[in-house]
Amino acid sequence: GQSLEQPSEVTAVEGAIVQINCTYQTSGFYGLSWYQQHDGGAPTFLSYNALDGLEETGRFSSFLSRSDSYGYLLLQELQMKDSASYFCAFDNQGGKLIFGQGTELSVKP
Amino acid sequence: EAGVTQFPSHSVIEKGQTVTLRCDPISGHDNLYWYRRVMGKEIKFLLHFVKESKQDESGMPNNRFLAERTGGTYSTLKVQPAELEDSGVYFCASSQVLRGKQYFGPGTRLTVT
Repeated sequence: GQSLEQPSEVTAVEGAIVQINCTYQTSGFYGLSWYQQHDGGAPTFLSYNALDGLEETGRFSSFLSRSDSYGYLLLQELQMKDSASYFCAFDNQGGKLIFGQGTELSVKP
Repeated sequence: EAGVTQFPSHSVIEKGQTVTLRCDPISGHDNLYWYRRVMGKEIKFLLHFVKESKQDESGMPNNRFLAERTGGTYSTLKVQPAELEDSGVYFCASSQVLRGKQYFGPGTRLTVT
């Protein structure tokens, strides 16, 4: 079958670094995406890893290991506005996204 | 550029009624996707259009759901007749290319009572 596992909740303090892990299981895989969602609104694209390694975009970085079926999202210099739900998702054939259940990140002052 | 828009933002209907959701993708995006999030669960794929053609409708729950994309521009998703389990948030997304970034709309929150 196809599935993704990510923690349901993570709590961190402002200014800290947090890592959200994602493991997946699928017979076909093209890449791993990360999306941010505030208060049930539009999911917003953060990153996409098609190849192994680290992708950095500002305070956010994403990592993929295809051999381990594992990836993570790293958020640095946490800000209060980073409190949101974070979803990992992979795409196999056709481009459709298969999502994990989401990680609720709470940033405390 | 204008983002993906969806209408209505909220809809409350009674079981057995019909509802039509609309999605306007970003201009020039051939790929259009519908997803649904039922409360407490993950965002689930419903179907994928490439221009006006249905590329993949493997996620459509049953034949009460009908999606169209006439002319390869906007898309509609009709639920007829609606059942209680159809309640959730319906998202539309579009993209220029198959891989990578998809642009999501704000969603339509459907409540069936």
